[in-house]
Amino acid sequence: KQEVTQIPAALSVPEGENLVLNCSFTDSAIYNLQWFRQDPGKGLTSLLLIQSSQREQTSGRLNASLDKSSGRSTLYIAASQPGDSATYLCAVKGQKLVFGQGTRLTINP
Amino acid sequence: DAGVTQSPTHLIKTRGQHVTLRCSPISGHKSVSWYQQVLGQGPQFIFQYYEKEERGRGNFPDRFSARQFPNYSSELNVNALLLGDSALYLCASSLDPGARSYEQYFGPGTRLTVT
Repeated sequence: KQEVTQIPAALSVPEGENLVLNCSFTDSAIYNLQWFRQDPGKGLTSLLLIQSSQREQTSGRLNASLDKSSGRSTLYIAASQPGDSATYLCAVKGQKLVFGQGTRLTINP
Repeated sequence: DAGVTQSPTHLIKTRGQHVTLRCSPISGHKSVSWYQQVLGQGPQFIFQYYEKEERGRGNFPDRFSARQFPNYSSELNVNALLLGDSALYLCASSLDPGARSYEQYFGPGTRLTVT
């Protein structure tokens, strides 16, 4: 059974800092890994999708890496802004999409 | 283009009642998946439908059922509501669940409160 863990559960940093969110999964037999952003009470916005054959993906200030053999992914956010405050979820696709519990990120002005 | 749409936005029901939630996928997408997200948790997979057939089912009781229509829209039905069914219900669409890219696009969700 696939299990996805995100550490830390919550993170608060001052504006402008670079930061890393972590995601680990127990079964390396995945098709892809997706990072999402969720604002309070809202749906999910897809940020980055990494195929199992890829090592990383970049979009603007975001960079996600994938190490399938060790069951880890990181989401790097450069030059954080208050608008980045949200919950960040990672999800791995095997037979189904399995989510972590998310990291609640607060960027302080 | 319109994204994934869900209705209603919010819903309040009483224990024991029945509820129907609706989802319209992105135009051209033939697969719809349903997820339950309890406050403070990540979404949990409930169902996936593709071309009107069930392709996957999560670990939810038989009180939960779903169907997909010829226009690829979908309904999630929950019978005999319990307080624990209170959650945000998310719908996601994708082109083809068998495709390796398999990027899912999520709707805004329906917030169900059971009292």
